[in-house]
Amino acid sequence: GAGVSQTPSNKVTEKGKYVELRCDPISGHTALYWYRQSLGQGPEFLIYFQGTGAADDSGLPNDRFFAVRPEGSVSTLKIQRTERGDSAVYLCASSLGAGSSPLHFGNGTRLTVT
Amino acid sequence: RKEVEQDPGPFNVPEGATVAFNCTYSNSASQSFFWYRQDCRKEPKLLMSVYSSGNEDGRFTAQLNRASQYISLLIRDSKLSDSATYLCVVNYKAAGNKLTFGGGTRVLVKP
Repeated sequence: GAGVSQTPSNKVTEKGKYVELRCDPISGHTALYWYRQSLGQGPEFLIYFQGTGAADDSGLPNDRFFAVRPEGSVSTLKIQRTERGDSAVYLCASSLGAGSSPLHFGNGTRLTVT
Repeated sequence: RKEVEQDPGPFNVPEGATVAFNCTYSNSASQSFFWYRQDCRKEPKLLMSVYSSGNEDGRFTAQLNRASQYISLLIRDSKLSDSATYLCVVNYKAAGNKLTFGGGTRVLVKP
């Protein structure tokens, strides 16, 4: 079956621009997570959804970051007024249930802010 | 102190040797533990879950020490293909099932 799909795989944008990153989870997975990974670091938690609602958004670094999952499936991570420090790989993962079930990751979106 | 800490390595391992490394966690209420493997410029992939009694999957053995708050991963008979970064993941149910990653331990297996 299909795994977690993330688009685009690469995104280059200018400082100050708005970007949207999309994640299509595995069908039937109710939990969806967003992480950010910088070179040489482990994935840093941003937000996770249980169904349509954001169950924990404590990892979003500031109010320029926002994520939605309106129908409990596809999720979009939105970054306003991008800064060079936002450059990283953004990873999406889904799981059958939050917490105790393993995460299945997408290939990530490599965001470069110039 | 970070919630989940790992020795970044690298651990340089001769092919065929055994290597082991730990991951410490700060919250004693942690409930679920996993080891993930990440190859260079790839996404993390589940290696194994870690059970309270310890568990083994082929050449890989995972242990949990709740008293000292760490998990361990041991790789026997290392293969060149075991070269990767190994990430530990901890679930703090009290934090709402937020799965927290360590920084990863890099392992390099050499002929």
